[in-house]
Amino acid sequence: EVQLVQSGAEVKKPGESLRISCGGSGYSFTNYWISWVRQMPGQGLEWMGRVGPSDSHSDYSPSFQGHVTMSADKSINTAYLQWNTLKASDSAMYYCARHKTGSPNELFALWGQGTLVTVSS
Amino acid sequence: VLTQSPLSLSVTLGQPASISCKSSQSLAYSDGNTYLNWFQQRPGQSPRRLIYKVSNRDSGVPDRFSGSGSGTDFTLKISRVEADDVGIYYCMQGSYSYTFGQGTRLEIK
Repeated sequence: EVQLVQSGAEVKKPGESLRISCGGSGYSFTNYWISWVRQMPGQGLEWMGRVGPSDSHSDYSPSFQGHVTMSADKSINTAYLQWNTLKASDSAMYYCARHKTGSPNELFALWGQGTLVTVSS
Repeated sequence: VLTQSPLSLSVTLGQPASISCKSSQSLAYSDGNTYLNWFQQRPGQSPRRLIYKVSNRDSGVPDRFSGSGSGTDFTLKISRVEADDVGIYYCMQGSYSYTFGQGTRLEIK
């Protein structure tokens, strides 16, 4: 089965670091970008950026550049979203979704189940 | 920027619903495609894609859902609303980076 499986919910304190993951299975992981999408409580969807698993090249939305780092380990078919210094405002649900350059039928067709991040003192 | 309207919709079961998505620039890309998708997000669930490339329905999506439009103006229509359609609907463009509309909340009257 083709799927994206995300890591479990996290509860952290402000200032702490965190890395969440998105594992792909059932398809050729390196052929697809993985994008990360934030959904703050009661709010809409925001595209954060994307990472290319074949070389870990990443592109960021200006709104998130410098605050998060996206990476991938193609040996274990997993993409990561990382924070070095969490803020309370990072509390949100984070989704990963896949897409493929030049394939509009693949654009965000598959999503992970989401990882809830709670940052509170 | 993608602007959806209305932001909230209350519809009687069996009646039609329509959501507009307007872009600040044409979404027609140089490769001939228009990368405009529609998503449904039911309460407590991940987003689910309904429509891609303006008007192509995803597998398993009821034919009550249809997408149309071109350039900067796009529409999602539900011909007969069912209880299962409750949720938030988002348009998303992938022609110039990736952007979501604000979302339209659909409820049953």
